[in-house]
Amino acid sequence: ETGVTQTPRHLVMGMTNKKSLKCEQHLGHNAMYWYKQSAKKPLELMFVYSLEERVENNSVPSRFSPECPNSSHLFLHLHTLQPEDSALYLCASSHDGAGTEAFFGQGTRLTVV
Amino acid sequence: GENVEQHPSTLSVQEGDSAVIKCTYSDSASNYFPWYKQELGKRPQLIIDIRSNVGEKKDQRIAVTLNKTAKHFSLHITETQPEDSAVYFCAASIVPYSSASKIIFGSGTRLSIRP
Repeated sequence: ETGVTQTPRHLVMGMTNKKSLKCEQHLGHNAMYWYKQSAKKPLELMFVYSLEERVENNSVPSRFSPECPNSSHLFLHLHTLQPEDSALYLCASSHDGAGTEAFFGQGTRLTVV
Repeated sequence: GENVEQHPSTLSVQEGDSAVIKCTYSDSASNYFPWYKQELGKRPQLIIDIRSNVGEKKDQRIAVTLNKTAKHFSLHITETQPEDSAVYFCAASIVPYSSASKIIFGSGTRLSIRP
């Protein structure tokens, strides 16, 4: 275990559903990230939060909405997704300012039907 | 923004031989270059990293080299073993003093070790 926990591990949702992915870390890190991993684009950066402020939105469609209520928790709210959004969504955290290791969660395998 | 190119996409080597994976980056301001290993069904994990003030770093059977002028960096694995089979990702980031590092990954190299 790296100390980064994601739930759920697997999610199947319809295109009209609303769901949320959750990420939690208790490593004392102050930066958190969402990455999308698919066959087409492995490890594609989506969002970056530093000290609970969003510092990067990598041209992600608005049907993905991140939320970082505190430095230990990160959410990705999903609504009206498309089948091409099916992928592994990985959360990561790091301690900033020093170029340190990013610790990844196990990921949520999302299937949009 | 930063763009990281990684080659080859797949690599098969005989057990005991060496493997080399190469990456290039576009943003000359990038100053931190980690390498991650992702085994099948598992999360990516850091195996080695290098900063821009260093040209080479070694840790047992793995080494990384960095050429800042050419914006190239490479991963070298010597005496490969079956457990080295995995997908390897290079990455580049700019590490500002007081904000998050935007770690941009290469497209990955699937390394297979033949017995």
